[in-house]
Amino acid sequence: GNSVTQMEGPVTLSEEAFLTINCTYTATGYPSLFWYVQYPGEGLQLLLKATKADDKGSNKGFEATYRKETTSFHLEKGSVQVSDSAVYFCALPGRQGGSEKLVFGKGTKLTVNP
Amino acid sequence: DSGVTQTPKHLITATGQRVTLRCSPRSGDLSVYWYQQSLDQGLQFLIQYYNGEERAKGNILERFSAQQFPDLHSELNLSSLELGDSALYFCASSVVGGGKDTQYFGPGTRLTVL
Repeated sequence: GNSVTQMEGPVTLSEEAFLTINCTYTATGYPSLFWYVQYPGEGLQLLLKATKADDKGSNKGFEATYRKETTSFHLEKGSVQVSDSAVYFCALPGRQGGSEKLVFGKGTKLTVNP
Repeated sequence: DSGVTQTPKHLITATGQRVTLRCSPRSGDLSVYWYQQSLDQGLQFLIQYYNGEERAKGNILERFSAQQFPDLHSELNLSSLELGDSALYFCASSVVGGGKDTQYFGPGTRLTVL
């Protein structure tokens, strides 16, 4: 079935540093790809998504491009802030019967220091 | 705010007990998913309902059951609780549950079994 491999952290950066969190996937067909974020003590929030190859999802300064050739969906941000400290999850639908349940990576914890 | 609500936010109970977690999906969403987040297993899909009918089961224990009611809210019932059931339980909803749908998550219910 579909699966995702995500770089494991933790990742510690200084404010205004460049961020990359790697995510690669294995999938049948071309499913939508997602990044979710979990801030401390909170639930999962959709950060961005891409629905087809070469699509770029973006939100709050974060970007990720759906790369079919390299089966990747790396998350990037040019200048991180302390408020970006959170756990980031890469996800895609893992088809199971008639269900499109999400399959998640293990999560990458990001800490941004002032 | 995703529009998905979950109650209660926290639940503390003893081994052997039974609890019920409640989820209200976003207005207009027909599909409800339940996920469990634990430190050792990460985010795991439990079960999905679509318009009142069970659509798919994941790694859900026999001690756990769920249902979706005519008003589309869903309940997850956990019985004969064990220490290992302590986790964060998320509900998510989407419009129909297809591969291009986006799942929106509630804030979660943190279950602690003592």
